[in-house]
Amino acid sequence: EVQLVESGGGLVKSGGSLRLSCAASGFTFSNAWMNWVRQAPGKGLEWVGRIRSKTDGGTADYAAPVKGRFTISRDDSKNTLCLQMNSLKTEDTAVYYCTTEWVGAADYWGQGTLVTVSS
Amino acid sequence: QSALTQPASVSGSPGQSITISCTGTSSDVGAYNYVSWYQQHPGKAPKLMIYEVSNRPSGVPDRFSGSKSGNTASLTISGLQAEDEADYYCSSYTTSSGVFGGGTKLTVL
Repeated sequence: EVQLVESGGGLVKSGGSLRLSCAASGFTFSNAWMNWVRQAPGKGLEWVGRIRSKTDGGTADYAAPVKGRFTISRDDSKNTLCLQMNSLKTEDTAVYYCTTEWVGAADYWGQGTLVTVSS
Repeated sequence: QSALTQPASVSGSPGQSITISCTGTSSDVGAYNYVSWYQQHPGKAPKLMIYEVSNRPSGVPDRFSGSKSGNTASLTISGLQAEDEADYYCSSYTTSSGVFGGGTKLTVL
């Protein structure tokens, strides 16, 4: 059974940093492309970024609002996906979901972790 | 990349069919067949319902179907059931990015 468990969310002040983790199990993590998707309170889904598998280059893509501030990384030895968030803004407040990506779709989702950025 | 355009809300009675549209551009929806649809119930994580325009993951009822014409994709739910009441999001993935629609609230009357 595929499981994705996010952690690391919490309350942080504007301008601060936070690191989210996603522990993966039930599939071959090293072969998977992984995404982060967020959802602000009462709002819709927003794609944050993705990281390819190392065999596909291991590179990452980012949405414009987070490019240059957020960094996605992966540790295939620990089956863990990370999202380093710097220079946080109040508009980054959201539930952050870790997902797998397969044929251009987010097929498995974690339960999400809430990040609250205060002014 | 701008969000894909969906109607804010749709409604239907049990047993009826509804269709939700998702309009993008020739750079996203129109360019790739990586269009997917998600169902989200309140307080829950989204669930993949349709991938690659019209394919259903295992376990998704065949009442759910997807299609695409030009820059617009559509999700059709036939034989509406009470448990279909939820928010629905479309998405389009490209080689370098992803984008979601604004979401559509489906009410089963």
